[in-house]
Amino acid sequence: KAGVTQTPRYLIKTRGQQVTLSCSPISGHRSVSWYQQTPGQGLQFLFEYFSETQRNKGNFPGRFSGRQFSNSRSEMNVSTLELGDSALYLCASSVLTGASSGNTIYFGEGSWLTVV
Amino acid sequence: KQEVTQIPAALSVPEGENLVLNCSFTDSAIYNLQWFRQDPGKGLTSLLLIQSSQREQTSGRLNASLDKSSGRSTLYIAASQPGDSATYLCAVNNNDMRFGAGTRLTVKP
Repeated sequence: KAGVTQTPRYLIKTRGQQVTLSCSPISGHRSVSWYQQTPGQGLQFLFEYFSETQRNKGNFPGRFSGRQFSNSRSEMNVSTLELGDSALYLCASSVLTGASSGNTIYFGEGSWLTVV
Repeated sequence: KQEVTQIPAALSVPEGENLVLNCSFTDSAIYNLQWFRQDPGKGLTSLLLIQSSQREQTSGRLNASLDKSSGRSTLYIAASQPGDSATYLCAVNNNDMRFGAGTRLTVKP
């Protein structure tokens, strides 16, 4: 069974540009959540999508957005990139939503974004 | 707001030793707690999930316990091996996942 797939794995962008990251969840998983990982802040929750609806959102500015398609694949977009957006962006998928006790989440390898 | 703390931040042990990693959280109204392993530059690998109604879970040499009332979880690793070297993170689910900063474990041959 294929795991969570994230593309691209590595990318470099210039300040002010925008970026779109893609995540393909494990087959049968309807929940996709996104996280930002930096050395200073650790792992922080961005948002969760379930059945194409944003179910939950973390404390990030509106420049960070996402969406989920009918096949459960998800994209996240960051507009007007800042140097501080340099991070590892991780996607995770699960069968159930976050509000479930038996919900194991599975992570992809991440997308390394460097903003210069 | 849920705060998750992991102690120690780093740990170095000789091969074969048993060890305990600690995780504490401030809000006991959780759905579950999950332990992950992260190798450098990689994503997270799920190790154990403990539901809020459970006290512990075991997988091979790993045993995780949960005490919701005191806001604590421990991950016990038996007979550590060099391949166990990684960062271990605990995550608490209150409707979204809150992660601790992790414990960086080094097991020396």
